[in-house]
Amino acid sequence: GAGVSQTPSNKVTEKGKYVELRCDPISGHTALYWYRQSLGQGPEFLIYFQGTGAADDSGLPNDRFFAVRPEGSVSTLKIQRTERGDSAVYLCASSSGQAVAHEQYFGPGTRLTVT
Amino acid sequence: AQSVTQLDSHVSVSEGTPVLLRCNYSSSYSPSLFWYVQHPNKGLQLLLKYTSAATLVKGINGFEAEFKKSETSFHLTKPSAHMSDAAEYFCVVSDLYALNFGKGTSLLVTP
Repeated sequence: GAGVSQTPSNKVTEKGKYVELRCDPISGHTALYWYRQSLGQGPEFLIYFQGTGAADDSGLPNDRFFAVRPEGSVSTLKIQRTERGDSAVYLCASSSGQAVAHEQYFGPGTRLTVT
Repeated sequence: AQSVTQLDSHVSVSEGTPVLLRCNYSSSYSPSLFWYVQHPNKGLQLLLKYTSAATLVKGINGFEAEFKKSETSFHLTKPSAHMSDAAEYFCVVSDLYALNFGKGTSLLVTP
């Protein structure tokens, strides 16, 4: 079956611009996660959705970052006034339930470059 | 807070020789631990996970890991490396639902 998909695969934007990154989880998966992977580092947790609500957004670095999941399926990560330090690969994952009993399946990521 | 430390940023082995990737964890309670692999231009894939059942965990592609509480370690091993094993490997500890990744170990396999 289809896995987690993310669009676009690559995004180049100028400093100060607004960007949206999209994640399509595996059908039926209620939990959705966003992570950010900077060059040479492991992924870092950003936000976790259970259904439509953000159950934990403690990993969002500042208020320029925001994510939504209005219908409990597709999610969009929004970044305002982008900075060069936002350049990274943004990963989305989904799982069929909360907690460690349910494997998180990762998408291929969106590579964001802020010039 | 739970965290992991991967002790080697790069490991190089010859094809057919054993693989050892080292990971130590820090946790205030019984942790859930994972190893993920990331091949170039591909998504992260779960190799194996430990969730307080058997201490020796077998995963995909011949990999296994042993949970040692006394040493706070969760090292990944494979008896015989294959060229296709060349990738980035991440040791991960779970914090209820969020995954906390180590910095990764890059495995190079030479012919």
